[in-house]
Amino acid sequence: NAGVTQTPKFQVLKTGQSMTLQCAQDMNHNSMYWYRQDPGMGLRLIYYSASEGTTDKGEVPNGYNVSRLNKREFSLRLESAAPSQTSVYFCASSLGQAGETQYFGPGTRLLVL
Amino acid sequence: EDQVTQSPEALRLQEGESSSLNCSYTVSGLRGLFWYRQDPGKGPEFLFTLYSAGEEKEKERLKATLTKKESFLHITAPKPEDSATYLCALRRGGAQKLVFGQGTRLTINP
Repeated sequence: NAGVTQTPKFQVLKTGQSMTLQCAQDMNHNSMYWYRQDPGMGLRLIYYSASEGTTDKGEVPNGYNVSRLNKREFSLRLESAAPSQTSVYFCASSLGQAGETQYFGPGTRLLVL
Repeated sequence: EDQVTQSPEALRLQEGESSSLNCSYTVSGLRGLFWYRQDPGKGPEFLFTLYSAGEEKEKERLKATLTKKESFLHITAPKPEDSATYLCALRRGGAQKLVFGQGTRLTINP
């Protein structure tokens, strides 16, 4: 049981480049989330998916898109990366309805130059 | 607006020196108060969920308590391996997301 996995672990991008962060969970959870964590700002919700086929904006969605590919996978896409998107990105999942106890992945460290 | 404030920002203790971390919150209709542990370079690890005032939960040297305005994470006789950042989060009734505090960075010196 791997829990929540994320790829890649680390990425360097140039301003304007695009990339997709991948997340998968093997706990048969219904809800999945994407957060960013910045020094002094704490964890901030970018997007979440309460169930397969649905996605909703969180606190800081601008500049990002998401896809709930199936029940296991939830990807985060940066279409045109900006230095302000330099951060650590965490994926999480929860069993039932969104907002219940969440289990986090190991994170992706993204540097945008 | 839902708010979570954790104090202190950082805390240094000697091994065996017990203390408490504070999480103050304002919310209309609490549906869960969560504690997580985060080690450097890793994702948050779930510790406890508390649902109502007066509730307590324990795990090894950690005990979490909840009142109507605050939650405390008590650490008894800590060891160096307890060093981490501890995060508090809440869920409001009807909301589909958690609101996180900024964390307390705990260092236990041997």
